[in-house]
This record gives sequence, C-alpha cells and structure tokens, in this order.
Amino acid sequence: GQNIDQPTEMTATEGAIVQINCTYQTSGFNGLFWYQQHAGEAPTFLSYNVLDGLEEKGRFSSFLSRSKGYSYLLLKELQMKDSASYLCAVLDSNYQLIWGAGTKLIIKP
Amino acid sequence: TAGITQAPTSQILAAGRSMTLRCTQDMRHNAMYWYRQDLGLGLRLIHYSNTAGTTGKGEVPDGYSVSRANTDDFPLTLASAVPSQTSVYFCASSDSADPGGTQYFGPGTRLTVL
Repeated sequence: GQNIDQPTEMTATEGAIVQINCTYQTSGFNGLFWYQQHAGEAPTFLSYNVLDGLEEKGRFSSFLSRSKGYSYLLLKELQMKDSASYLCAVLDSNYQLIWGAGTKLIIKP
Repeated sequence: TAGITQAPTSQILAAGRSMTLRCTQDMRHNAMYWYRQDLGLGLRLIHYSNTAGTTGKGEVPDGYSVSRANTDDFPLTLASAVPSQTSVYFCASSDSADPGGTQYFGPGTRLTVL
C-alpha cells in the first residue's frame, strides 16, 4: 500500500529552527508537496519538489531525496504565526496526491 | 480574485437526509477535487474531475456523487447521509500549467450528521 509518515506533533521555540520530516512509500513518484494548514482553515501551498536537493523560499526550505523516500521542511526564525499543521503529500504514478496525516507544530514564546 | 468558494460553511444534517455541498472556482482550472479531512488522518480523495464533463472516483467514493457540468462548478452530493460522513470537506482545483499541478483549496464545509 501507499504510505506517508510524518510526526504527529512537534514543539519549538520562537526564533529557533525546526525540521519536519516526511518519509513515503508510494506507487511511483511525480513530486512531493508541503502545505501549511492553520486550525480551522484550508491547506495552503508551501513548496513542490520533484528533483533531489534543497529548495529555499524565504524562511522555509524543502529537501527531497528520492532514493531514500524522504523529505523535510525546514522552518527558520520561527514566528508565532508558524503555529499550524504541516502536510506532506506525494504525487503518485496516477498523478493523484497521497497525503500524510500532518504534523502539528506548536511554537512557544 | 475569489479563488475557490464553498457553501455552506457548516451544516448539521439528520441521518438519511440528502445534501449538496457547493464548490465554485473562478481560476478556470481544468481539474477539481473533493476531499474529506478527519482527525488523525490525511486528506482523503472522494471524487475528482480532470475536465468539464468527466469525473472519477477517488479513495473513498461510496455514499457520494459528483457532477461537472461546466468548468467552474463541482458540487458534491450525499444522497442519504450517515454519521460516518461527519467530516470537514474541502474542494480544490488545479491547473496542469502549475508545477506538479499544485492544488488550491477552498475554505471547507464542516458537516455534522446526527
């Protein structure tokens, strides 16, 4: 079966750096997405990786290793507004998104 | 730009009743999707439509139906609601021109079936 694993919850301190990991086993791979979802709101797009390596976008970076079935989202200079769930999703061989359950990130002052 | 709108925002429904969740996008995206989101689970695809006039079944289609008469609208119908359909429902759309076909989500409908 297809599986996306990410930690259920993480806690970090305002101003610090946090890395949220995602491992996947899917039938085929056509890219990996990270979305942010604040409580009670819709998921919003953060990043898309299809090639190995690091993609940097401001305070957020996303890394992909296709051979290891592994990605991480790196958040720097954490702000209270970064408190949210972070969803990892893989585009499979049928171009359908397979979603992880999400990682709830709690930021403490 | 409104993007994607969904209606209603929330609804309480008696079991056995029918209901249609509405979804409209103004981005002229070809593809549209319906997901449900339950606590502790990832988003699960109910139905999708790659283009107007076509629809397909996702991971959890039972008890739901969709139609795609035009590009903008993609309603989801529950013919006879059951308590297990209590969930938050998200509509999304995508354009193949975006990297990976990035999906953009509506604000969601919170449905409670009693």
